[in-house]
Amino acid sequence: QKEVEQNSGPLSVPEGAIASLNCTYSDRVSQYFFWYRQYSGKSPELIMSIYSNGDKEDGRFTAQLNKASQYVSLLIRDSQPSDSATYLCAVRGGGADGLTFGKGTHLIIQP
Amino acid sequence: DGGITQSPKYLFRKEGQNVTLSCEQNLNHDAMYWYRQDPGQGLRLIYYSQIVNDFQKGDIAEGYSVSREKKESFPLTVTSAQKNPTAFYLCASSPGTGGFQPQHFGDGTRLSIL
Repeated sequence: QKEVEQNSGPLSVPEGAIASLNCTYSDRVSQYFFWYRQYSGKSPELIMSIYSNGDKEDGRFTAQLNKASQYVSLLIRDSQPSDSATYLCAVRGGGADGLTFGKGTHLIIQP
Repeated sequence: DGGITQSPKYLFRKEGQNVTLSCEQNLNHDAMYWYRQDPGQGLRLIYYSQIVNDFQKGDIAEGYSVSREKKESFPLTVTSAQKNPTAFYLCASSPGTGGFQPQHFGDGTRLSIL
């Protein structure tokens, strides 16, 4: 059974600071990793995807992957109140099956 | 506008009743998925389909059924065998079947028991 673990939070970060969200996964064959943002009562929205070890940057967001440690993280620079949401980590093997999600981390950006 | 349309937004089910949730996409995506989300939980996979007339069970398929008669449509039926159906149901699609393909979600359907 694949498992994806996230700290549920809430994680409280001052506006303008860096928010760091972490995720660990159990299945070593996982190859593809995704971060989704979900506002309360809404559907998840894709933020980042990462497949190779190292860092991937997109605007204020940086995803980091370490397959040896089975660890993936999301950094949000210059955090804004609009970043307050639940962030879901999702992983996938090499096939066409669905994603395995963590329970999400609730992030609060304090103005 | 291209996208994934789920309907209805809210749905109520009576005891012993089957209900069907609609999911339509006009993105020409091959793969479609159904997930369930309970409060404070992540999403769990119910069913997925990679191609028309074919679908696979996910982690929690018991009490649910699907069909994929058209590429753009993937309806989910919540049967009376699903004893705890109250949840937020999310449909997703992806362009292809490769693992790297991102999945994008519709706005969801909230199902409750009367």
